[in-house]
This record gives sequence, structure tokens and C-alpha cells, in this order.
Amino acid sequence: GAVVSQHPSRVICKSGTSVKIECRSLDFQATTMFWYRQFPKKSLMLMATSNEGSKATYEQGVEKDKFLINHASLTLSTLTVTSAHPEDSSFYICSAMPDRSLMNTEAFFGQGTRLTVV
Amino acid sequence: KNQVEQSPQSLIILEGKNCTLQCNYTVSPFSNLRWYKQDTGRGPVSLTIMTFSENTKSNGRYTATLDADTKQSSLHITASQLSDSASYICVVSAVYSNYQLIWGAGTKLIIKP
Repeated sequence: GAVVSQHPSRVICKSGTSVKIECRSLDFQATTMFWYRQFPKKSLMLMATSNEGSKATYEQGVEKDKFLINHASLTLSTLTVTSAHPEDSSFYICSAMPDRSLMNTEAFFGQGTRLTVV
Repeated sequence: KNQVEQSPQSLIILEGKNCTLQCNYTVSPFSNLRWYKQDTGRGPVSLTIMTFSENTKSNGRYTATLDADTKQSSLHITASQLSDSASYICVVSAVYSNYQLIWGAGTKLIIKP
């Protein structure tokens, strides 16, 4: 099946620094990618929809300047957590859909990134 | 409001036993329903995806059913194995939703030897 690679899988950073998380579709092109955040024992919460070549669409309550998304190519989207604080510590997951024109296209997920801000 | 509700919240069964997880949704207009398995600390992995016209779909020991009239779905796991321990999440997509997925809270399944 299709593979989505997310890197890094774990990262620990100091408060006030920025962290970049990469999401790559390895064997297909993805015009649309999604970024999720997951709190312990909770389901995934959509943060933003990343669109290649255009600005990301953020969900209500998600700070655009805090979580910068760049989708510069059809196989790569990045999420940068800027000026990280301990409350940003969480599990971040990306997903990619191979074909935006098919409503029932499967979404493939990355392995997730565990961010810990100290 | 588009919502997906799952039950039970958690379930513990003995290895080898069968179990059924439930999912009710109010998403409209409905496009498709997906079941994902998520191991702790990992991304979700797709088990099944069903459209309006599909009533059942199997993937190995996993069988999903869909009743679009009552807006209910179930995931049946047969002959459970220890590796089935995970969260099982029901996800529904609405037509014209810009491909956004509406996530259930998941059922935490624990298989005991």
C-alpha cells in the first residue's frame, strides 16, 4: 500500500525554540495533506488542511502563526511549531490523499511525531 | 452537527474471543465510512472503507457492516489475537466536505491472554 513517511518520530526541544515536522508521500503525489494533533486517550483532532501551491486552511482555534504549514511540492508538507511551549507537547500526525478528485480515496497516515517541549 | 459516536469506550476480552464495536453517525450528506486501527504512539492504519451502497466489507478477521438508513456501522473482530489490542476509530466523510474526516473518539480494545 501507499506509504506516508513522517519525520522525526520523536523530538524534545527547549521552550521558545521552533520545531519542524516533515510529512512525505513516498510513492504517490498528494495535492492535499492533513495535519492532526492527538491528546492522550483522545481521538485525532484536525488542525489544518495543507494544499500544494496554496495557503493551508486552518481549523477554528488553531493559530496560523503558531503552526506554520508549507506544502511546497506534491510529496512534501511541513509543519513548524514556532516558539514552542510545554502546552504544545503532543502527538502530531499527518495524512495524505493520493487523488483529490476521488471522494472515496483512502487517506494514508504517517507514523506520528511525539513532541515534548521542556 | 456532524458527529460520530462510538461504543463502548473501552473493552477487554480474552484472546480467541470475538467482539463487536459500534459506531453511530449523524454526518450528512454521507460519503463514506472508514474504520482505522491505531496502536499506541503510532499513526492510524486503515481497516476498511465503505460507501453508501456497501453493506459489509471484510479485511481478514475484521468485518465491517454499514446500515446507511439507520446511520450505524459495526466492526466485528473474530478469533481475537493479542496484537488486536489497539484503539479502533470510526471515521465518516461527508460529501462536499473538502475531504475532511469526522472522527469518532475510538474504542480502546484490550486482548488478554
